[in-house]
Amino acid sequence: GENVEQHPSTLSVQEGDSAVIKCTYSDSASNYFPWYKQELGKGPQLIIDIRSNVGEKKDQRIAVTLNKTAKHFSLHITETQPEDSAVYFCAATTSGSARQLTFGSGTQLTVLP
Amino acid sequence: GAGVSQSPSNKVTEKGKDVELRCDPISGHTALYWYRQSLGQGLEFLIYFQGNSAPDKSGLPSDRFSAERTGGSVSTLTIQRTQQEDSAVYLCASSPIAGGLYQETQYFGPGTRLLVL
Repeated sequence: GENVEQHPSTLSVQEGDSAVIKCTYSDSASNYFPWYKQELGKGPQLIIDIRSNVGEKKDQRIAVTLNKTAKHFSLHITETQPEDSAVYFCAATTSGSARQLTFGSGTQLTVLP
Repeated sequence: GAGVSQSPSNKVTEKGKDVELRCDPISGHTALYWYRQSLGQGLEFLIYFQGNSAPDKSGLPSDRFSAERTGGSVSTLTIQRTQQEDSAVYLCASSPIAGGLYQETQYFGPGTRLLVL
C-alpha cells in the first residue's frame, strides 16, 4: 500500500518569509496529491491539489510542485501571515475510483509576528 | 451550501461503554469516509462507503469498531466496549461523483472528539 512521509514535523517562520513542506510517497500509481490545512479544533480543509499530469500549480501565495520521478511533492507558502499558522497535511491517492487518502503525519506551521 | 456535519462535537464516556458517532455528508455525495486522528498525529483511515457497493472496512482497528450508512446518506460509526486508547478525534469526509467517476477531493467535517475515561 501507499506510504506518505512528511517533513518537517514543526516549522517556525517569521511573518513575510516563505515556508516549504515536503512529502514523499511510495506508490508510483498515485496520481492525485492534495494538501489540507487544519486549524485548531476544526476538520482539515483542502487548500490546493495537484495531479500527476502537471509539475506545478499555484494559487495566490500557495504553490505545490510535484516530481514524479523522485516521488515527492512540496507545498510552498510565500509571504506568510499569522493566519497561516496551522497543521498542514499532505496526502496521496489514485484517481478514478473512490479510494481513501493516505496522509502524511502533518507539519505544525507557526508564523511569528 | 451546508458542509459535512458531525455529532456530537464532543463525547466523554467511561471505559467499557458503547458510543455512536454520526456523520451527515454533503447532499449528493456518494462516497463517505471515516478517519481517526490521535492527538498530534496524522489521519488514520478507518472505513469508506461508495454508493451501494460493499464498504471497504480494511482500516478498522478491531471488531469493536463498526459503521453503517443508511439510505446512502447518514453514517454512524459505533465503538463497542470503548477503551482509553480509543480516545481521539473521529473525522468524517465525503466526496462527489462526476462523469461516472468518484472524485478524489474529500470534504471533511469538524470531527467528534471522543474521550474515554
